[in-house]
This record gives sequence, C-alpha cells and structure tokens, in this order.
Amino acid sequence: GAGVSQSPRYKVAKRGQDVALRCDPISGHVSLFWYQQALGQGPEFLTYFQNEAQLDKSGLPSDRFFAERPEGSVSTLKIQRTQQEDSAVYLCASSLRRPSGRNSGANVLTFGAGSRLTVL
Amino acid sequence: GDSVTQMEGPVTLSEEAFLTINCTYTATGYPSLFWYVQYPGEGLQLLLKATKADDKGSNKGFEATYRKETTSFHLEKGSVQVSDSAVYFCALSNSGGYQKVTFGTGTKLQVIP
Repeated sequence: GAGVSQSPRYKVAKRGQDVALRCDPISGHVSLFWYQQALGQGPEFLTYFQNEAQLDKSGLPSDRFFAERPEGSVSTLKIQRTQQEDSAVYLCASSLRRPSGRNSGANVLTFGAGSRLTVL
Repeated sequence: GDSVTQMEGPVTLSEEAFLTINCTYTATGYPSLFWYVQYPGEGLQLLLKATKADDKGSNKGFEATYRKETTSFHLEKGSVQVSDSAVYFCALSNSGGYQKVTFGTGTKLQVIP
C-alpha cells in the first residue's frame, strides 16, 4: 500500500479484556517497529521486527504484551488482560532499511496514524 | 543508553515570528538525527534529517544543524505560519544494528494569527 495502515483507529476496552492491534506496513519494507505513545509524551519503543523475526522486544512493558509478524508483512500487537496504564496510542512504523554496518544511511521511519487504546 | 532531551512546550508564537526548539542528545557512536512532526489528527512524519556532524537538514523552511561538539540539533524557522502549529519531536537512530529510533518528549507549537 501507499502508506502504513493501522486498525482499529480507536479501541475502548474494559479492564481485563484482551485486544489486538493490526499494522499493515508499506509493501517491501523489511523493518517494522511498534511504539507506545502516552498522552503528552514521545513515542516509546516496544519491539522491532526484521521481516518475520522479532529481533528486539526489550521495550515491551510486561509479559501481557505480545507481537508477531508471521509472514514478514502484517504485524499484530496483542495486549492481554488490559490495565488502565495500557491506555495510549500505539504506533506502527516501517522502513526499507536492513541492518547494516556503521551508518551507511539514516533509518527513516514511515508511521501509521496509530491506534488509540482506552482502557476503562 | 541513547536519549533525547528537547525543550518543553507549549511554545506560542505570533505568525512570522522566529522559531527555535532546542534539542540535545546522548548517544554512543555516530547517530543520525531527525525532526519528526505530528499535525493535529495525523501520524508522525519526517520533517528533516542529518546523518553526520555539521550536516544541515532542511525542509519547508525549517532547518537544523548536527552539532557534535555540543550534541545538539536545534530546530529553527525564520518565519512561522499558522499551518506550522503541531507537535515536533527530535529523534536519533543509533549507528549500529537495526538503527532503533529514540524520540524526545515532543514540543507543542501553537502559532497565532
């Protein structure tokens, strides 16, 4: 597609419910990132995929958070047993870059519009 | 680890005023530096970038110079417009591996007519 598509744009969940957020990156983009953006804050890194491999999940805040990209394109971020502190905008970004040696070019991310999760 | 510090907002300016948003960073190696912008109701989009010391990134009248000696990447515009009202994020990507991007907390700019 022309851009990064995320769905749903808005999700309201009751505390304890499971949610799944979808990201459809730009076709051919190797790298895919998930970020969490709390109100009034900058995006915080959650996890990174290179194709279907999840190479870094150090930013996932708890074991309730799980992400996958089974075929190296669409990715899903799943949050189990949601808590109020999970309320945030979840951003997906993709880039064409593959991991490389030292700084052979900048990693420019293309972001989706985000999925706003509100946990009541 | 890598981090980005930018001035807190909101910043309120009159149309045609000069804009500076300060940004400093901490990183190992040779990071690339970025400014992203988030207009109301829209996703983050790249505004400009610089990949090495003394590079100047520019776009839409905005400029920022990569200053390694002061670890800074301040955003400037000579004459702001109402349409520049948005949240601006300074960011860096580390120079190795998959180049994870780290963001600052954002600075909200409001330009009034």
